[in-house]
This record gives sequence, structure tokens and C-alpha cells, in this order.
Amino acid sequence: DAKTTQPPSMDCAEGRAANLPCNHSTISGNEYVYWYRQIHSQGPQYIIHGLKNNETNEMASLIITEDRKSSTLILPHATLRDTAVYYCIVRVAFTGTASKLTFGTGTRLQVTL
Amino acid sequence: DTAVSQTPKYLVTQMGNDKSIKCEQNLGHDTMYWYKQDSKKFLKIMFSYNNKELIINETVPNRFSPKSPDKAHLNLHINSLELGDSAVYFCASRGTDSGNTIYFGEGSWLTVV
Repeated sequence: DAKTTQPPSMDCAEGRAANLPCNHSTISGNEYVYWYRQIHSQGPQYIIHGLKNNETNEMASLIITEDRKSSTLILPHATLRDTAVYYCIVRVAFTGTASKLTFGTGTRLQVTL
Repeated sequence: DTAVSQTPKYLVTQMGNDKSIKCEQNLGHDTMYWYKQDSKKFLKIMFSYNNKELIINETVPNRFSPKSPDKAHLNLHINSLELGDSAVYFCASRGTDSGNTIYFGEGSWLTVV
């Protein structure tokens, strides 16, 4: 699976958009970008995933550059409850039973008043 | 209804003891996992089972023995507990949606004294 690089920490004011970057310059054509987050003392939670096109769901938007070497997770109106560690993971689709998620160190997002 | 539930949530035990953590998912998924999160917050896969069969074993000491009595349950038994086993253990299961979303339990906090 391709390696990802994320800033270790970011701050965001409540109500503002949180833009979390992720670099994945060695991504292959069949690899997806997944985002998960882990709120303190809870299990990781799926947010969104994408291959080439930008994606949006009720939680966030995912913007993938045209060359697919980087992406940005956007939380449009961050709240205090969005304070968490956000993980960007790049991997092929789960095509086999031996598929797994490999977590890096992520970005610790602190949302402040 | 909790999708992936683990018991116990907290466990404090002495070195040398044997303990078990139970996990159940009510999502009808075939694939389940155990992850370990150490004190440095690094989340690492330990095991994966598919339909009661061991698929992934990430060089975990053989003191750790997963057991899957049926595809809805994946229990983790640990023999001869050591101080370094202190961690949060997360159970997870993998969906069959387009993103093969992985659903995590709330974690079991193990402290070995």
C-alpha cells in the first residue's frame, strides 16, 4: 500500500472549514484514498473514500488532485466534536479476504472556540 | 444497537495471568479483525478472520490466541500477560459496501500491573 504523509497537528476555529491535507505521491492507479478518524477514547470511524473524483457525504468532502498525488479532507463547518486524530490511508480496494487497513500517525485536529 | 461490541471495556490484571476479550458484531459481516493501540497511539493490526478462518496473523506472539466460534464472534485470549501487553485492543468487522467500510468497536483497555 502507498505511503501517506500528513501534518502531525492542526488547529481550526469552530464553525470554520477544516482542511486536512494528505500526500500520497507513490499512489498506484488502482489505489483508493480512505479517511478515518479516531475521537479520544473511541474506536476509529470511517469518514469517506475516493478513487479519482471528488466525493462528498454527510460528514465531509474529499478533494483529490488530478495527478492523485495528494488529497484534502474538508470538514465544512467544524465543531468541537470533530476534535480527533484523522487518518489518511491509501490502499487497493478490499478485493480479498486478506485485505486490511494500515494506519499511520495521522493528523491531530484540535477545534477551538 | 451496537454494531461491534467488546467486553470488557476495562481490564486490570497482574502479570502472568490469562485473560480473554470478547467481540461480537451484529452486522452480518464475514471478516473480523483485532487491532492493538499502544501507549504511543499507534494502531496496528494483529489478526484477521474470515468466516471463522484465520487469514492474517501479523507476527503476534503465540501467547495471543484468537478464537472465532462463528462468524459473528472473534474473541482474543492472552496467556501469561506481560507489562508490554498493556494497550487498547480494538475489534472490527468489514462491510461489503462500496468502500468496504471497517466498523470498529469501542475498545478494551487492558492494563497489566
